[in-house]
Amino acid sequence: GAGVSQSPRYKVAKRGQDVALRCDPISGHVSLFWYQQALGQGPEFLTYFQNEAQLDKSGLPSDRFFAERPEGSVSTLKIQRTQQEDSAVYLCASSLVPDRGSEQYFGPGTRLTVT
Amino acid sequence: GIQVEQSPPDLILQEGANSTLRCNFSDSVNNLQWFHQNPWGQLINLFYIPSGTKQNGRLSATTVATERYSLLYISSSQTTDSGVYFCAVLTGANNLFFGTGTRLTVIP
Repeated sequence: GAGVSQSPRYKVAKRGQDVALRCDPISGHVSLFWYQQALGQGPEFLTYFQNEAQLDKSGLPSDRFFAERPEGSVSTLKIQRTQQEDSAVYLCASSLVPDRGSEQYFGPGTRLTVT
Repeated sequence: GIQVEQSPPDLILQEGANSTLRCNFSDSVNNLQWFHQNPWGQLINLFYIPSGTKQNGRLSATTVATERYSLLYISSSQTTDSGVYFCAVLTGANNLFFGTGTRLTVIP
């Protein structure tokens, strides 16, 4: 079946612009996660949804970052007033069950470059 | 917080060689996954292995949770095995925490 998909794959934004990154999880997956991966490092947790409920947003680096999943499927990560330090790959992952310990499957990521 | 260290940080292999990658973690964990991040950035699931041993083709993994380490074995390496290998553990905060990664280059 289809895996996790993300769009756009690449995004260039001028500093100060707002961006929206989309994640389509595997159909039927209850849990959805967002991660940020800086160059040369491993992914770092940003936020977690169980269906439409955002149960953990402890990893969001600032209040400029906002995520939603209004219908419990597609999710959007929004970054307001982008800054250069926001440049990174943003990864989305989903898992089948409402258990944060269950196996996560990752999308291809969106590479954001802020100029 | 939990520390997850992987070794070696970089590894260069001749095609056909075998290798062992190690992941050490500083606290007890309920979940451990191994991923391969290919040169295009896609994270590919290799193993979900909180404990025990699993095998999938040329790859196998062993996690000894009581001793806080996991090993990934790659046999008969191929150029397509190149990329970065991450282990990730579920922390007490219930977040998946990634290790530092091992960058593998397989040369023909």
